[in-house]
Amino acid sequence: DGGITQSPKYLFRKEGQNVTLSCEQNLNHDAMYWYRQDPGQGLRLIYYSQIVNDFQKGDIAEGYSVSREKKESFPLTVTSAQKNPTAFYLCASSMGGGNYGYTFGSGTRLTVV
Amino acid sequence: GQQLNQSPQSMFIQEGEDVSMNCTSSSIFNTWLWYKQDPGEGPVLLIALYKAGELTSNGRLTAQFGITRKDSFLNISASIPSDVGIYFCAGATSGGSNYKLTFGKGTLLTVNP
Repeated sequence: DGGITQSPKYLFRKEGQNVTLSCEQNLNHDAMYWYRQDPGQGLRLIYYSQIVNDFQKGDIAEGYSVSREKKESFPLTVTSAQKNPTAFYLCASSMGGGNYGYTFGSGTRLTVV
Repeated sequence: GQQLNQSPQSMFIQEGEDVSMNCTSSSIFNTWLWYKQDPGEGPVLLIALYKAGELTSNGRLTAQFGITRKDSFLNISASIPSDVGIYFCAGATSGGSNYKLTFGKGTLLTVNP
């Protein structure tokens, strides 16, 4: 079955450490996205990529980095520069543009202590 | 940037009641989408609307694409406990920004058995 996989589901890190969240899709989608979700704040776009080896900043890119070396993979690194990294992170993909909707992964809950 | 105003922010209802929620925007969208997010999971697409005035049903769910292209409504009839979750509206435009959906902040639905 095709889908989008985020791993791990729960992640704990000490303050000051970088951490990388995995996102893999086998839907042959061109575009991939990372969102951050905090209670009552909805979905906030961190980064998105329309094509391999290209990506753009979203609304809250500071303290985050991404790469898109393969069509199937779009890992997100939460760096030590991110001041409040504890959140629920969602990865999504789409065939072409948003008109067809996004397929979301099941999320990674990151807790930094 | 574009913003979607989704209301209400939260609803607490009794099982069997009908539910209505809506999204409005100051900008025109060509596509309206409705998602549901179960606790601790990623959002799942419920209904997609592509034409002004369109009314589409998916089981007990009915959604409408507003005539002005600036709003959309979602109705849930005869609610059941598994309807609990966060409901998001999303809009898409055509053109260069089409890769990014604009999301509302969500409606948190609680159903009391």
